[in-house]
Amino acid sequence: AQTVTQSQPEMSVQEAETVTLSCTYDTSESDYYLFWYKQPPSRQMILVIRQEAYKQQNATENRFSVNFQKAAKSFSLKISDSQLGDAAMYFCAYNRGSTLGRLYFGRGTQLTVWP
Amino acid sequence: GAVVSQHPSRVICKSGTSVKIECRSLDFQATTMFWYRQFPKKSLMLMATSNEGSKATYEQGVEKDKFLINHASLTLSTLTVTSAHPEDSSFYICSARGLAGYYNEQFFGPGTRLTVL
Repeated sequence: AQTVTQSQPEMSVQEAETVTLSCTYDTSESDYYLFWYKQPPSRQMILVIRQEAYKQQNATENRFSVNFQKAAKSFSLKISDSQLGDAAMYFCAYNRGSTLGRLYFGRGTQLTVWP
Repeated sequence: GAVVSQHPSRVICKSGTSVKIECRSLDFQATTMFWYRQFPKKSLMLMATSNEGSKATYEQGVEKDKFLINHASLTLSTLTVTSAHPEDSSFYICSARGLAGYYNEQFFGPGTRLTVL
């Protein structure tokens, strides 16, 4: 069964600093997708970044980047130049790449950004 | 693009009544819609997956007769909580996946907060 583990229930960072959120997953599939979602207090789920397993290059979206280690089944999110608006719950998610399309979520990491 | 709406955004009802929540894909056709339940400061729990024109597939432990899901068209899925009780109070979120699923991405609705008195 696919499982996604986020070992950090809470993290905090000073504004303008860098923070890394950890995520590991378990799968026997070779083709899959990984995602980081952000859920601010409004509770709207927002896609932050995605990574296809077949791509060796780490995905980057502006201040957000990932460190994808396929062999280690690790998928961490780095937020650079943190902003107050980055404060949210962050969920790591896995999708096995089939037409079924269901997501497996981690438990989430609550990120606090201090001014 | 890729906007998903939910209605209502919040609802309060009395115990024993039924509540219907709508999930609409506004600018794309959704072949598959997902319904999640989320408790405060917890992760999303998948309740069921629905494909247009067919019966929903429920996750283990989810009562089919309590949570009725209808995916009648490519832009609308409904979740009906029948005979609601206080323990059904929660935040319900839908997501939709389109015909040309980009990287298998799901687009999420803003959620519905259900409070059963």
